[in-house]
Amino acid sequence: EAGVVQSPRYKIIEKKQPVAFWCNPISGHNTLYWYLQNLGQGPELLIRYENEEAVDDSQLPKDRFSAERLKGVDSTLKIQPAELGDSAVYLCASSQALGGASDTQYFGPGTRLTVL
Amino acid sequence: QKEVEQDPGPLSVPEGAIVSLNCTYSNSAFQYFMWYRQYSRKGPELLMYTYSSGNKEDGRFTAQVDKSSKYISLFIRDSQPSDSATYLCAMSRANFGNEKLTFGTGTRLTIIP
Repeated sequence: EAGVVQSPRYKIIEKKQPVAFWCNPISGHNTLYWYLQNLGQGPELLIRYENEEAVDDSQLPKDRFSAERLKGVDSTLKIQPAELGDSAVYLCASSQALGGASDTQYFGPGTRLTVL
Repeated sequence: QKEVEQDPGPLSVPEGAIVSLNCTYSNSAFQYFMWYRQYSRKGPELLMYTYSSGNKEDGRFTAQVDKSSKYISLFIRDSQPSDSATYLCAMSRANFGNEKLTFGTGTRLTIIP
């Protein structure tokens, strides 16, 4: 079974440019998460989707960040315009969220963004 | 003050040693406790999870939770070079499948052959 797929793996852009990241979750996983991981830090949740609905976007900087999950499968995270401080790894994770304690969040490899 | 505190290391130990990794937390609402392993340039992968206080063993790995002290540990026995990675503790208030995870900063571990 394929894991969580993210692309691109690496992205270098100049500040003020737009950038987009794509995530394909594990088949059948209804919950999708975007996390931000700064160097030497743990991941921090940006937004969580249950199917198509964003159920927790309280940590998403809405002035420049946006996300969508059309049809409840793939998701795209966008930054416009990018700032120097946005340089980080953007992780996507998915889970089945069936309501049991064994639900696991499976992470993709991340997209490493460098803003120059 | 962060909700979850974790010593970032780095921690270097010789092969075969017992490794102890720890986290403390301040939010008494946390009920589920997890340890993730993250290799360089990879996403985190779940190693172990426990619910409430107690111990859980899986092969060379043992997770301990002491809710009274707000302290969790991960022990690795007979450490191997392949265990070299960053270990992240994470916790949540409820069923973690659809609940926000709060992570520690991660401890970078190197096992020396």
